[in-house]
Order: sequence, then C-alpha cells, then structure tokens
Amino acid sequence: EDQVTQSPEALRLQEGESSSLNCSYTVSGLRGLFWYRQDPGKGPEFLFTLYSAGEEKEKERLKATLTKKESFLHITAPKPEDSATYLCAATTHGSSNTGKLIFGQGTTLQVKP
Amino acid sequence: DADVTQTPRNRITKTGKRIMLECSQTKGHDRMYWYRQDPGLGLRLIYYSFDVKDINKGEISDGYSVSRQAQAKFSLSLESAIPNQTALYFCATSDLYRGRETQYFGPGTRLLVL
Repeated sequence: EDQVTQSPEALRLQEGESSSLNCSYTVSGLRGLFWYRQDPGKGPEFLFTLYSAGEEKEKERLKATLTKKESFLHITAPKPEDSATYLCAATTHGSSNTGKLIFGQGTTLQVKP
Repeated sequence: DADVTQTPRNRITKTGKRIMLECSQTKGHDRMYWYRQDPGLGLRLIYYSFDVKDINKGEISDGYSVSRQAQAKFSLSLESAIPNQTALYFCATSDLYRGRETQYFGPGTRLLVL
C-alpha cells in the first residue's frame, strides 16, 4: 500500500534555530513529491514539487530535497511567521490518471521569538 | 480575488439534513477535487472530475455525491448528513501540463453535523 509518513509530528524551534522536517514515502513508482504549508483554518498552500532524486528547490528560508526514499524540508533561520503545519504528499505513476495525492499527517512547526 | 473559492466557509447542520458545499475557480483548470481533512487522518479524496462530463469516486465517496455544473464549478452534496461527516472540506483544482500536475486548494469549509 502506498504510504507517506512525516516526522516529527510537532516541532518547536527558537527563532533562528535551523532544522529539517522529514517525509518518507513507500509508493509504487513516485511521480511527484509535493510540499504544502497549511495555516490554521486555511487551505494548503503549494510550496514545492520535486520529481527526481537529487532535485532541490528553494524559496526564501525553505529548501526541499528529494532522495529515493524520502524528502526533507530544511528551514534556515526560521521566523515566527514560518509557524504552520507542513504537509507532504506524493503522486505515483499508478495514480497519474487520477491525480490522487497521497498525504502524510503533517508536521506542525512552532517558531518562538 | 482568490483563485479557488468555497461557500459556505462554515456550516452547522443536523443529522439527516441534505447540504451542499460549493466550489468555484477562476484558474481555468479542467481538473477539480474534493477532499476532507480530519485530525490524525490527514487529507482524503472524496471525488474528482477531469471535465464536465467526467466524475470519479475517490477513496471515501460513500454518503457523498457531486455535480460538475461547469468547468469552473464543482459542488459536493451530503445526501443525509451524519455526525462522522463533521470535518474540514477542501476543494482543489489542477491542470495537467507536459505530464505534470499541481493541485491548488481553496480556503475550506468547516462542517459540523449535530
């Protein structure tokens, strides 16, 4: 069964304290790996898509990387406004005709000033 | 203006009532999706549509129905609401380009079934 697992469930950082969120996947033929940010009471906001191992993408303090088994979302010198739940999701070649996203449970990040 | 809008944003209803959640998009995308989000269970796909004449069940379609009135509109109905349908509901849209697709989500509808 295709599965996406995120760790940790929750992460508390001090402002400026860099860290990484993990997304491990066991799917039958990864097509794309997606990162979203979700603020309380709001819809997921698209951040990145990664398609092949070794690929990296950056946006401000965030950098996403992909290996054959997992993806990392690195947060460099976070600020309180980076506090949110970060969701990881995958599509597979088998699901490409449905567009189905397989979501992880999310990591809730709190950055304290 | 938001690209994907959902109405209502919040709804309280009673067991057995029929309700409709609506989604509209101005992105010009062909593909539209309905998800529900529950604490501890993540986002799960209810229904999806690739064009006005194409409707498909997702992993948890029982108790739900959908209507694709136009390219820009996709509605989700709960025929007879029950308390375990209390959840956050999200609509998403996407376009397929060169084999790649990204889904963009609406702001969500918070539904409480009493």
